[in-house]
Order: sequence, then structure tokens, then C-alpha cells
Amino acid sequence: DADVTQTPRNRITKTGKRIMLECSQTKGHDRMYWYRQDPGLGLRLIYYSFDVKDINKGEISDGYSVSRQAQAKFSLSLESAIPNQTALYFCATSDTGPYGYTFGSGTRLTVV
Amino acid sequence: ILNVEQSPQSLHVQEGDSTNFTCSFPSSNFYALHWYRWETAKSPEALFVMTLNGDEKKKGRISATLNTKEGYSYLYIKGSQPEDSATYLCAYFSGGYNKLIFGAGTRLAVHP
Repeated sequence: DADVTQTPRNRITKTGKRIMLECSQTKGHDRMYWYRQDPGLGLRLIYYSFDVKDINKGEISDGYSVSRQAQAKFSLSLESAIPNQTALYFCATSDTGPYGYTFGSGTRLTVV
Repeated sequence: ILNVEQSPQSLHVQEGDSTNFTCSFPSSNFYALHWYRWETAKSPEALFVMTLNGDEKKKGRISATLNTKEGYSYLYIKGSQPEDSATYLCAYFSGGYNKLIFGAGTRLAVHP
């Protein structure tokens, strides 16, 4: 099993629908992150959590919300999906400190 | 806002060519510099982490150097092979920001 698992892998949804992307990890890391990737723009941080009781907005949090249900689980929700939220979404985890991230396989979301 | 710049944005080389690309980052409050390799349809995978000025890391034909005083890192690939085709991301960890800041990546295509 992967260290960081994202579900679903692919999703097509309609404008205005609520959708949840899920991330779970077996690394035992306290820190979890949600990024989106658009062509030519690299990785942009949406939300991050340094522990179960800590949630922080990233650089592009508008239109998104998150829930840290447990140390191992961090979900990203789009309350009312819009077409410009079509992107590849990555979850990542890390230890506390200047350590590297472990990424999930990504969720490709298309909003039509 | 802290900024990490990578150049060039994209690079096309022939099999067997050696190549290098640059990551520039703020030199203040430096903790670590990470390099990732990101193949299409996969998640980013860690290549190197460097923390000390003058650090050099090597993995097979790929190596990296670090200059924290002037705020840059080079990634070198010797004798490029088609399987080296990927996007190479660098990420900077600053004490003040307390998480990784990613560059937009350099997309490398190695042609047979």
C-alpha cells in the first residue's frame, strides 16, 4: 500500500456540486498539505495542517475547505465546484522541520 | 512573499547530452533546499536534500550543488537518457515560513 493515498484518482463533476477529495497516510507524520497543480504554474498550496487541531490557509484557499479528521486523514472539499477548479490535486505529508514531503498519487478533477 | 525561481522553464536535449538547470531562492533564514523529480502522471519523488553551504549530492548521473550565501542550487544530469525526461522541482525551507516553497519546475525532455 502507498504511504500517502488519495481518493478518488479521477473525478468529473458538474458546476455547483460539492465534492470531497480524501487523503490518508501511514507515515505517522503530523503535517499534511493540499496542493493544486495547473500547467505552467507548479504546485500551489491550498491548505495545510501541522497537527490535528491546526488548520491554516495557503495561498489559494478561496473556494476550498478542509477537515483534519485524525492524524492520518486530511480531506479537501469544494463546496460549490466551478470550472476553474479543474486541476490536478496533490496531498503531501511531512515530519515537523525542514524535511521533504511525501506526495500522494494525485487526484485529477474536472469540473464541467 | 518568498519566491523560488527555476530556470529554464523547459529544456530539450538529445540523448547523451549533459545538462544543468538552476534554482534561485532567498538567502536569508535558510534551512534546507530540496530537489524532486516529477514524472508525468506520477507524484513528485525526492532526489536530494541539502542543508549546508557548499553541499554536493550525487545519485547516479544526477548531482546537485548548493550555495546558500548567494541563494542558488544547480542540478546536473550527465549523459541524459530518455528516462530522465521529467519535471525537476526545487523547494526551499525557510525558518520563518516553516514549510517548503516550491519553484515552478524545469521540464526536461530527452530525445533519442
